[in-house]
Amino acid sequence: SAVISQKPSRDICQRGTSLTIQCQVDSQVTMMFWYRQQPGQSLTLIATANQGSEATYESGFVIDKFPISRPNLTFSTLTVSNLSPEDSSIYLCSYDNLNTEAFFGQGTRLTVV
Amino acid sequence: AQKITQTQPGMFVQEKEAVTLDCTYDTSDPSYGLFWYKQPSSGEMIFLIYQGSYDQQNATEGRYSLNFQKARKSANLVISASQLGDSAMYFCAMREQEYGNKLVFGAGTILRVKS
Repeated sequence: SAVISQKPSRDICQRGTSLTIQCQVDSQVTMMFWYRQQPGQSLTLIATANQGSEATYESGFVIDKFPISRPNLTFSTLTVSNLSPEDSSIYLCSYDNLNTEAFFGQGTRLTVV
Repeated sequence: AQKITQTQPGMFVQEKEAVTLDCTYDTSDPSYGLFWYKQPSSGEMIFLIYQGSYDQQNATEGRYSLNFQKARKSANLVISASQLGDSAMYFCAMREQEYGNKLVFGAGTILRVKS
């Protein structure tokens, strides 16, 4: 299975600023996803990161707030823009080989102050 | 209707005993996959085990096994010989081909292993 690395692992940000999270996989993967986990909650999909085209966002998530890039089959970024305390969450990237595996990065724990 | 239901918010188990974490799912897609993940307090999501809808045998990975009952739409995780390090949050998730292969998660079950 491919190794997936996510950074930063945690950050504390001022409200109104933005945070960009990077996700790197050590081999080409078809599907990459970004999830949010609010405190004490389960994971919710933000969007599917499509290589070479715009991401596909889930209901309740918009590109202006969560711009995503996927320039190639091994890398993706998620930016959380115009931060507010409600954005304090764990953000996780994942890849899926559409077979028997779906792995996650280590997660980014974001605190907005 | 919830796609994935985990009815046990929290569970306790004695060290070295087995424990079953419940998961039921709802889908009309004939092609789907079921996953279990462990999330320790660090926040990372650790993949444990996978079961495909067409798999005839129950999946096993070391101390983890999946009790797959397709007709009942249940996919319970069994952890044998529990260890203190098994204390964590456990999530069941489903991937459906007709919904873009994204994962939908249950609410999770907190497992505490007692010494």
